[in-house]
Amino acid sequence: DAGVIQSPRHEVTEMGQEVTLRCKPISGHNSLFWYRQTMMRGLELLIYFNNNVPIDDSGMPEDRFSAKMPNASFSTLKIQPSEPRDSAVYFCASLPGEGSNQPQHFGDGTRLSIL
Amino acid sequence: AQSVTQLGSHVSVSEGALVLLRCNYSSSVPPYLFWYVQYPNQGLQLLLKYTTGATLVKGINGFEAEFKKSETSFHLTKPSAHMSDAAEYFCAVSEASGTYKYIFGTGTRLKVLA
Repeated sequence: DAGVIQSPRHEVTEMGQEVTLRCKPISGHNSLFWYRQTMMRGLELLIYFNNNVPIDDSGMPEDRFSAKMPNASFSTLKIQPSEPRDSAVYFCASLPGEGSNQPQHFGDGTRLSIL
Repeated sequence: AQSVTQLGSHVSVSEGALVLLRCNYSSSVPPYLFWYVQYPNQGLQLLLKYTTGATLVKGINGFEAEFKKSETSFHLTKPSAHMSDAAEYFCAVSEASGTYKYIFGTGTRLKVLA
């Protein structure tokens, strides 16, 4: 059974470039979450979707960040323009959606370095 | 508002010794509680969860946790540490009212000494 799939696993790019992170949730899961993990701030929830609709984006740092979920099997997190302080590990997680007693399933993350 | 506190950002134990990782939460509604483990360069993997029912919950890799409502705690234990248990552990809480949002603790890095 395939888990949450994220790509790329590593991304190194220069400041000012556009970065797109991708996530494929587990088939049948209705909720999807994007997190950012840094040493200083730990795990932060950026945004979550339910049935492809953004429900809470209060964690998105600023307008440079945007997320979309065009269908139930794909989501993107875009940073434009990127800055060195965006360097972090970005995780995607999905949830069956039948109730909050279900655990979130995490992907292996994308390690992003902005030079 | 909900919050999670993990006491001790770093814990060291000898191989074969008891592992105890502490988690306290605050919640105005009945909580759902989770422990996750993160190995280097990997995502978070569920160890165990408490939703309703029995307050002593058993998880994978020999870990267990007990929900103590009176103490607002959900500490993680393992009777005998193994070298492969070295990792970072996260406690998380969500509301039983239906929101899908988790609040994560800041994590505890477990080191196992030979």
